[in-house]
Amino acid sequence: DAGVIQSPRHEVTEMGQEVTLRCKPISGHNSLFWYRQTMMRGLELLIYFNNNVPIDDSGMPEDRFSAKMPNASFSTLKIQPSEPRDSAVYFCASSSRGEYGYTFGSGTRLTVV
Amino acid sequence: AQSVTQLGSHVSVSEGALVLLRCNYSSSVPPYLFWYVQYPNQGLQLLLKYTTGATLVKGINGFEAEFKKSETSFHLTKPSAHMSDAAEYFCAVTGLSSGSARQLTFGSGTQLTVLP
Repeated sequence: DAGVIQSPRHEVTEMGQEVTLRCKPISGHNSLFWYRQTMMRGLELLIYFNNNVPIDDSGMPEDRFSAKMPNASFSTLKIQPSEPRDSAVYFCASSSRGEYGYTFGSGTRLTVV
Repeated sequence: AQSVTQLGSHVSVSEGALVLLRCNYSSSVPPYLFWYVQYPNQGLQLLLKYTTGATLVKGINGFEAEFKKSETSFHLTKPSAHMSDAAEYFCAVTGLSSGSARQLTFGSGTQLTVLP
């Protein structure tokens, strides 16, 4: 099992540009979570999906952020337009029904300059 | 609703000494509790978890934790620290939910430093 796969590992972009982060969950997992980690705020849940349907997006900071899960094996988190304060490490995690706990990806380190 | 408090954002121990990382939780339903470890530039890795049954749970790398309901605690211990244990440790809690997705609530993390 390859685990949760995130791409890219690092992204440097200029303010105002669109950024797309990608995640492939573990095959068979039906729940997917996007987290953001910063020194100031720690780990923040942005949004999570269950069976490809967004369940709770209350953690999405503002309308510049959007997430999709078109199928069970792929999800994207998009920021448009990006701002320097979006700089953080973004983690994707997945879990299966009946499993307690998540499997995390290695994260995408986003730097907006 | 659940919450987690990790006492001590930074803990330093000498190599070979006992490691004790504290975690207290609040939950309105029977909790499921977790410890994750994060090494630099990596994602979070599950160390151990408590769901039901035996209150002393053993995890990877020689770590263990004990669920104490009366104290609402789930402290993480390791008898003898190794240099490779230096990392950030997160305690997390979730509760039995009617939904199939279980949200984890994470603590703010404890950075463990192991001194030679």
